[in-house]
Amino acid sequence: DTGVSQDPRHKITKRGQNVTFRCDPISEHNRLYWYRQTLGQGPEFLTYFQNEAQLEKSRLLSDRFSAERPKGSFSTLEIQRTEQGDSAMYLCASSLERRTDTQYFGPGTRLTVL
Amino acid sequence: AQTVTQSQPEMSVQEAETVTLSCTYDTSESNYYLFWYKQPPSRQMILVIRQEAYKQQNATENRFSVNFQKAAKSFSLKISDSQLGDTAMYFCAFIISTGANSKLTFGKGITLSVRP
Repeated sequence: DTGVSQDPRHKITKRGQNVTFRCDPISEHNRLYWYRQTLGQGPEFLTYFQNEAQLEKSRLLSDRFSAERPKGSFSTLEIQRTEQGDSAMYLCASSLERRTDTQYFGPGTRLTVL
Repeated sequence: AQTVTQSQPEMSVQEAETVTLSCTYDTSESNYYLFWYKQPPSRQMILVIRQEAYKQQNATENRFSVNFQKAAKSFSLKISDSQLGDTAMYFCAFIISTGANSKLTFGKGITLSVRP
């Protein structure tokens, strides 16, 4: 069990650029979650997938954000036309469908928008 | 909607002593889980302890234990024999038990510093 991995760990970009993050969940986990954590705050839910289906999206997920999980394995989170307010840690977590109470987190991708 | 409140932004404790971190929550649900997560500096979030709301017995994990008061909607974490490695942000979190609602709701967190 290699745990949840995320890539890249850090991303610095200029305002207006597009960025994409990747999350690889624990292999047998069919649920995958994205959270955003700003400085000094707790993580906030963005969206989650069950297999390849995106089942819920938070109102925090503006039109500039899109998430995919095309084959039900890894997921990508893309932010288009980044803004300084997008600067945050983006956390991915995964779980079994029958054990959503036990979510395992990845190390996160820290995004800095200049 | 569920809310989780951690009103203490920072705490400090001497190594080997005991510290209690506070958390309150609000929900109309009757079946849910409560958690304490630890996030060390620049490291990933790990689960410290979990409590199922229907269980009256307080959860314990080695040096970590909780005081779960369901009627008061309070869920505090006690760390005994504090160690330097306990220095981290601690988040209280909540999830409804039904599988349809899978999102964790977190508090703002508390920064715990263990002094040598």
